[in-house]
Amino acid sequence: GAVVSQHPSWVICKSGTSVKIECRSLDFQATTMFWYRQFPKQSLMLMATSNEGSKATYEQGVEKDKFLINHASLTLSTLTVTSAHPEDSSFYICSAKPTTGRNEKLFFGSGTQLSVL
Amino acid sequence: SQKIEQNSEALNIQEGKTATLTCNYTNYSPAYLQWYRQDPGRGPVFLLLIRENEKEKRKERLKVTFDTTLKQSLFHITASQPADSATYLCALDETGGFKTIFGAGTRLFVKA
Repeated sequence: GAVVSQHPSWVICKSGTSVKIECRSLDFQATTMFWYRQFPKQSLMLMATSNEGSKATYEQGVEKDKFLINHASLTLSTLTVTSAHPEDSSFYICSAKPTTGRNEKLFFGSGTQLSVL
Repeated sequence: SQKIEQNSEALNIQEGKTATLTCNYTNYSPAYLQWYRQDPGRGPVFLLLIRENEKEKRKERLKVTFDTTLKQSLFHITASQPADSATYLCALDETGGFKTIFGAGTRLFVKA
């Protein structure tokens, strides 16, 4: 089955530093990838849609300069949390839709737990 | 506005019983609806997709129904097991199928 690898699984960083999270589709190509944020016991909140070779589309209220998204290839999207602060601590999850075939369902990464001290 | 509603209260059932989870939506006309499972600290995993012209779909112990008149989907787990304990999310694509929006999920606890 389709596999999405997300790295790192968890990261602890100091306030003010930047953190990069990678999302790779291992056995399929994904023109579109999605980035979500999830707080404990809450649902997935879509942050942005990442499109290969073009700028990401951000949801309302999500700061694009704060959460930099790059989708340089059909198998890799990255999310960089710039100048992280404690309020950015959360669980970040990526997902991908295969470019070919019936691409209705999403394949998710295992998530990244970010803790900002 | 568009909404997807799932019972936010946790569902506790005894092992062997059937668990039934509900997903209601408003202001959508989805061509299909999806169900995902999420374990704590993990990403969601796709379970089932049901299309608007399908009333029911089954996969092993799972069954999903889709009533476009009631704007509701029911998700059933028969002969439930403790390993079925997780959060179950329903999801719809926005018109045009560009974005998938998730409900808040229902936490299921199956007691041995």
